Amino acid sequence: QVRLQESGPGLVKTSESLSLTCTVSGASIDTSSYYWGWVRQPPEKGLEWIGNVYYSGATYSNPSLSSRVTISMDTSKNQFSLTLDSVTAADAALYFCGRIDGALKVDYWGQGALVTVSS
Amino acid sequence: SSELTQDPAVSVALGQTVRITCQGDPLRKYFASWYQQRPGQAPILIISDSNIRPSGIPDRFSGSSSGGTASLTITGARADDEAVYHCNSRASSGRPHVIFGGGTKLTVL
Repeated sequence: QVRLQESGPGLVKTSESLSLTCTVSGASIDTSSYYWGWVRQPPEKGLEWIGNVYYSGATYSNPSLSSRVTISMDTSKNQFSLTLDSVTAADAALYFCGRIDGALKVDYWGQGALVTVSS
Repeated sequence: SSELTQDPAVSVALGQTVRITCQGDPLRKYFASWYQQRPGQAPILIISDSNIRPSGIPDRFSGSSSGGTASLTITGARADDEAVYHCNSRASSGRPHVIFGGGTKLTVL
């Protein structure tokens, strides 16, 4: 059974960086079969793709966020991470990590990590 | 354009059939997938690659696609089908960019 679990601070100050880690169990992230990615959902809004990382280290991100997004992976810990720089109130959301297949559907999701942005 | 459009809200009477649609140019080339999201929970994949149900998903849920429109049909709606349904696909550019529709809130009357 593949499981993903987000972790990181739930409160970030405006203009600082948001950092989250996703720990994967039941599957290795060091695989050519999947991407590993981040999706967020602001309160009462839809899902927004943030970006993906591939086992090769290649990363892909939403053009609207790409200048502020860094995604990396640590295969020794079977984890991947998200850093979002210069956060504003608009970045407050529930952040999900997920396993993404070649058709770019998310077949496994973490439970989500709520991030609040304060001034 | 690499956008997917969904109706914000749809309602269905208990036991009836409802169709939720997702429109966009990427769907002319790529499959859509569908997710169910109940309040406070993570989305669950219920239809993949246009019309494939993952293990454990009831056959009341089915998917189809025609041209630039993908559809999710729920046959015999139950009270616990009340949720937000999201569609997703990949961007028209061909790069591995994930795109989502805005989500449809289904109310079961």
